[in-house]
Amino acid sequence: DTAVSQTPKYLVTQMGNDKSIKCEQNLGHDTMYWYKQDSKKFLKIMFSYNNKELIINETVPNRFSPKSPDKAHLNLHINSLELGDSAVYFCASSQISPGEYTDTQYFGPGTRLTVL
Amino acid sequence: AQTVTQSQPEMSVQEAETVTLSCTYDTSESDYYLFWYKQPPSRQMILVIRQEAYKQQNATENRFSVNFQKAAKSFSLKISDSQLGDAAMYFCAYRSETSGSRLTFGEGTQLTVNP
Repeated sequence: DTAVSQTPKYLVTQMGNDKSIKCEQNLGHDTMYWYKQDSKKFLKIMFSYNNKELIINETVPNRFSPKSPDKAHLNLHINSLELGDSAVYFCASSQISPGEYTDTQYFGPGTRLTVL
Repeated sequence: AQTVTQSQPEMSVQEAETVTLSCTYDTSESDYYLFWYKQPPSRQMILVIRQEAYKQQNATENRFSVNFQKAAKSFSLKISDSQLGDAAMYFCAYRSETSGSRLTFGEGTQLTVNP
């Protein structure tokens, strides 16, 4: 049983194209995240949604737009892809309990995006 | 802003021996969580161990344990009886409630296990 799944696992595309990455979690969590891992393996938060509501929006170009149709899904759409967008994108989920600091984030397998 | 620093880009250990990976962090908060994640070549991020800052007792998970020094803002990971399957990139991460539950990661330490 896959807890956090992402599709596709690999994505190769040309500059200027628009692409989407999908993420689904079956853990019943209320919060989902997108992280970007660059070529030096550095991981950085991009977005976070809690119960379909955007709660974290880091300094990310407007070409990146997350969409959460329900709390089990968080998709990432990227317009006008650039060479610098090449990276591994990770989806994660957690359960935020109000008043407690007890959430652990579970990660998907990652999507390796290559922009040519 | 919180920062997490892993000063060892690479470490190596002989199989069956013990290795310690270092992590320091900078924060002005008193309540937070610290994590170690492992990323093998498969690139899956796997939680190794977590520590609540309000707990004085160091967390332990089988062969993995931490040395949490809150005053020094240090959170090292000790791997005992190292196995070939422990070879991976290890990331230290920080999270607090005021950071909106985001994880702030260190740069990672690449661990090699020699047979």
